[in-house]
This record gives sequence, C-alpha cells and structure tokens, in this order.
Amino acid sequence: GAVVSQHPSRVICKSGTSVKIECRSLDFQATTMFWYRQFPKQSLMLMATSNEGSKATYEQGVEKDKFLINHASLTLSTLTVTSAHPEDSSFYICSATLAGGPTDTQYFGPGTRLTVL
Amino acid sequence: AQTVTQSQPEMSVQEAETVTLSCTYDTSENNYYLFWYKQPPSRQMILVIRQEAYKQQNATENRFSVNFQKAAKSFSLKISDSQLGDTAMYFCAFMKHRNSGNTPLVFGKGTRLSVIA
Repeated sequence: GAVVSQHPSRVICKSGTSVKIECRSLDFQATTMFWYRQFPKQSLMLMATSNEGSKATYEQGVEKDKFLINHASLTLSTLTVTSAHPEDSSFYICSATLAGGPTDTQYFGPGTRLTVL
Repeated sequence: AQTVTQSQPEMSVQEAETVTLSCTYDTSENNYYLFWYKQPPSRQMILVIRQEAYKQQNATENRFSVNFQKAAKSFSLKISDSQLGDTAMYFCAFMKHRNSGNTPLVFGKGTRLSVIA
C-alpha cells in the first residue's frame, strides 16, 4: 500500500511551452502533497506544499506564477511549469502524506525528469 | 530554520564490512523526527530508518541502525554487512513534529555510498 505515482516519468519540451506533471496517491487519500526539485548530484529542495482544496504554499524564491500547483482532489496534485526555459530542466519529485495517518510518514513518487530544449 | 549537514560527500566500503554515515542538524524544536533515505540510481526515494526525537532508544532496521545523540544534534547511520545493493545516495532528513497538519522534510546534501565487491 501507500503508492505514489508520477506522470510523465520523462518529458522533453521546447523552450516557452508549458508542462504538466501529475502526482497521484494510488491507494490512499493524501491531504498534503509536497513538491521537491532535485538538480543533478544535489539534494532535494522543497518547492511548495500542496493542501487539498486550498492554495499551495510556496517556498521563498519559488515563483508561484511559473510553477502552478493544483491539488483538486485527495488523490491528485499537479505541477505545471509555465513558459519553461532550459534552467527549469531538473528532476521533480512529489511526496504525499496519508490522510488520518501518522504525520511523520511521507510517500515519494518516482520522480519526473524535465528537459527543456 | 532547520539545517541538516552531511559532511561526507562520498564514501566507500568493502562488501560485508560496516560503514557509518554522519549527519548533524540544527533546530530549536524539541519534538521532531529524523530520517535516513536512500536514493539508488533509479532515483526513487526509499525510507531506510526513522527516529522520533522523544525516544532515547536508537532505531534499528535489520542491518541499519542509528546513533542518535539529541544533545549533540547528531544522527549517524550504521550499515552492517554492507551489500552491493546498498550502493546509493543517502540523505539525512529532518521533520518538525506537529499535532495537526503536515510538515515537509529538510534534507542534507547527501552522501554517495559505493559498496565494493
């Protein structure tokens, strides 16, 4: 149980286009989902906290108009990279916490590799 | 703000030997959680072990154990009988404890562990 999926696993897009990444909790309901970004050979950096039915909370330095997050249901959060540029190329990882479960447990998706040409 | 420091960017160990990965953290919180995550080449984040700060007893999970020194804010990971499959990036992570609501993980920069046959 407690499986998180991400789609797509890899995406290549042209500069200036928008890309949507989905994060789904497959067998549980997630009140909170987190979005992290990981550059090559670096650690995970929190981008935003996504709560179902409310606006996402962004970390300092993360442009909310560029990285649009929608958490419309208890099983789905989406991250849309708008007007992508090569510097947005990165590995994006989501995690989810189990609704009603222990608040200390996060389940990670397999990640999405974004390459902007 | 919390910070997590991993001072060993890379380590190597012979198969079947024991290795210890270091982690220190800084926080003013009294109640929190600490984790070690493993990220193999697939880049899927895998929880290795967790520790509640209020528990004095060190957590163990099969070949993995921690040395948690709360006063020193130290949380090292010991891997016994190292196996080739242990080769991965290891991240130490911190999470505040909250009675309600979910909080994100704060990661260290990671230690790349290579197990040598």
